[in-house]
Amino acid sequence: EPEVTQTPSHQVTQMGQEVILRCVPISNHLYFYWYRQILGQKVEFLVSFYNNEISEKSEIFDDQFSVERPDGSNFTLKIRSTKLEDSAMYFCASRGDPDTQYFGPGTRLTVL
Amino acid sequence: KQEVTQIPAALSVPEGENLVLNCSFTDSAIYNLQWFRQDPGKGLTSLLLIQSSQREQTSGRLNASLDKSSGRSTLYIAASQPGDSATYLCAVSLAGANSKLTFGKGITLSVRP
Repeated sequence: EPEVTQTPSHQVTQMGQEVILRCVPISNHLYFYWYRQILGQKVEFLVSFYNNEISEKSEIFDDQFSVERPDGSNFTLKIRSTKLEDSAMYFCASRGDPDTQYFGPGTRLTVL
Repeated sequence: KQEVTQIPAALSVPEGENLVLNCSFTDSAIYNLQWFRQDPGKGLTSLLLIQSSQREQTSGRLNASLDKSSGRSTLYIAASQPGDSATYLCAVSLAGANSKLTFGKGITLSVRP
């Protein structure tokens, strides 16, 4: 069964450094999402992406964040200058037809 | 702003018991509702999706119902097993195919052998 994959599974970085989280959505899906989950808290929406552009973003998704679909398979989330409060599990999701969103296993980001 | 609530936060039951997990949401104009399972430190596994026009969906021992007008959904688990122990998350999307999911905090279920 097709699945969403994410790399790396765990990323440790120093405050102020840039990180890129990578996702490979399910191949025939058209809608892509990033969510995050801070330890012990709800899963929160960050951004949705369709037709090579952002369709919606949350207030969390400020100028430090960006997304790209650099080729036909990858979908990336970049954080330009990480802060301690960016430490969280980041999930990528994709959606085809019907409407189920399928989530990847997540990348645990630890900012020191 | 859509708010999703799941109460209680944790539940412990003996093996074999039938149980119901509750989810409520504040804005009834939803597009669909999904139930997920999350094991500790892991990703989200989609269990069931209910469209706004549907009343329930079934998959194996799981049955999810939706009452849009009252802003409620339930996930029924029949004959619970220790392997069902996990956190169960409810999430709703508002109108629009590209719409984000808004999650509840989840119910952590422990099924005792």
